[in-house]
Amino acid sequence: DTVLTQSPALAVSPGERVTISCRASESVSTLMHWYQQKPGQQPTLLIYLASNLESGVPARFSGSGSGTDFTLTIDPVEADDTATYYCQQSWNDPPTFGGGTKLELK
Amino acid sequence: QIQLVQSGPELKKPGESVKISCKASGYTFTNYGMYWVKQAPGQGLQYMGWINTETGKPTYADDFKGRFVFFLETSASTAYLQINNLKNEDMATYFCARRPLFMGWGQGVMVTVSS
Repeated sequence: DTVLTQSPALAVSPGERVTISCRASESVSTLMHWYQQKPGQQPTLLIYLASNLESGVPARFSGSGSGTDFTLTIDPVEADDTATYYCQQSWNDPPTFGGGTKLELK
Repeated sequence: QIQLVQSGPELKKPGESVKISCKASGYTFTNYGMYWVKQAPGQGLQYMGWINTETGKPTYADDFKGRFVFFLETSASTAYLQINNLKNEDMATYFCARRPLFMGWGQGVMVTVSS
């Protein structure tokens, strides 16, 4: 299975720019997607196909990357962005998720 | 818009079975498959498999072959997850999510396994 590696946690101040990385154990082309999960809630889709913003998601969120290295950027970060962010690949079967990056605001 | 409404929390004993439902609305149920995802307490998301809502054919991830069953009630636009012979390690929240891209998610069902 394709393993996706994320840093476990980040702490930033509101108004700053934050980048969350995801590295795949093998190429996934651009079939990488990002989800936000707030405490006690279900995940929601933020970015699909590496760089496409899901409808209704603020333009503060953006994604980039291809192959094995991907980035989710939030600029500027707001207090409501406190959540865990997961990358997920759909190039190889089975689909797999990264371990998640917990974003905390200072 | 896509709406997936799941059944309520469950408290079961080891060895029992549990059936979780996921009722879809806002789209044509048979046009999109349904994923199932497990989230153990304090842990990340684990893909369990999916069911083809047009044919009823389930596909299970390796860790979920044997005791886990996906099935449908197409007339009610509802997908089900049944877990047989519950074990302590099955204690988790279970989500349904619409294909492709896990585009819409149910609210999750917390399953507690305790003797």
